[in-house]
Amino acid sequence: NAGVTQTPKFQVLKTGQSMTLQCAQDMNHNSMYWYRQDPGMGLRLIYYSASEGTTDKGEVPNGYNVSRLNKREFSLRLESAAPSQTSVYFCASSGGQAGNTEAFFGQGTRLTVV
Amino acid sequence: EDKVVQSPLSLVVHEGDTVTLNCSYEVTNFRSLLWYKQEKKAPTFLFMLTSSGIEKKSGRLSSILDKKELFSILNITATQTGDSAVYLCAPASNTGKLIFGQGTTLQVKP
Repeated sequence: NAGVTQTPKFQVLKTGQSMTLQCAQDMNHNSMYWYRQDPGMGLRLIYYSASEGTTDKGEVPNGYNVSRLNKREFSLRLESAAPSQTSVYFCASSGGQAGNTEAFFGQGTRLTVV
Repeated sequence: EDKVVQSPLSLVVHEGDTVTLNCSYEVTNFRSLLWYKQEKKAPTFLFMLTSSGIEKKSGRLSSILDKKELFSILNITATQTGDSAVYLCAPASNTGKLIFGQGTTLQVKP
């Protein structure tokens, strides 16, 4: 049982390059999330998708776009990477009624922008 | 604007001590409060609280929610070095939004 799978696990980008972080879950969950984690900052919500076909901004959406491709997949795109986007990115998913179940996390993507 | 504040931000104790971690929140359409433990990797789930005053327990860990005063506490008794981690609280809304506090870093010394 894979749970939440993120790819890649590590990535180094040059300033201005673009890339897409992929996330897939196999638990038939409705809600999916993208977070970034910087030292001492906890997890900050970038975007979330409460159900297939919907996406909403979180706390720090600037510089990012997302696509809920289908129920399983939720991708995060950086159009023009900046050093300030150096971080660890986590994808998560939760099932059942919104706000009433635990969220499961992927193992994270460590992104460095130079 | 939704807000989550955890205190203290960091804590150093010795094995056997009891610790209390605090989480206060202001979240629109609040539904539940989640606690997670993070040890250098992805967060792992500890508790979900939906009702005020009902304590949830798992071994040496326990947690309670006060929906009137908008806070939750996580207690760890007889701490062990394996409890060293960052503890995160996360209020969830019924819209599906899930935000996290900045975390409490707990270090347990032998």
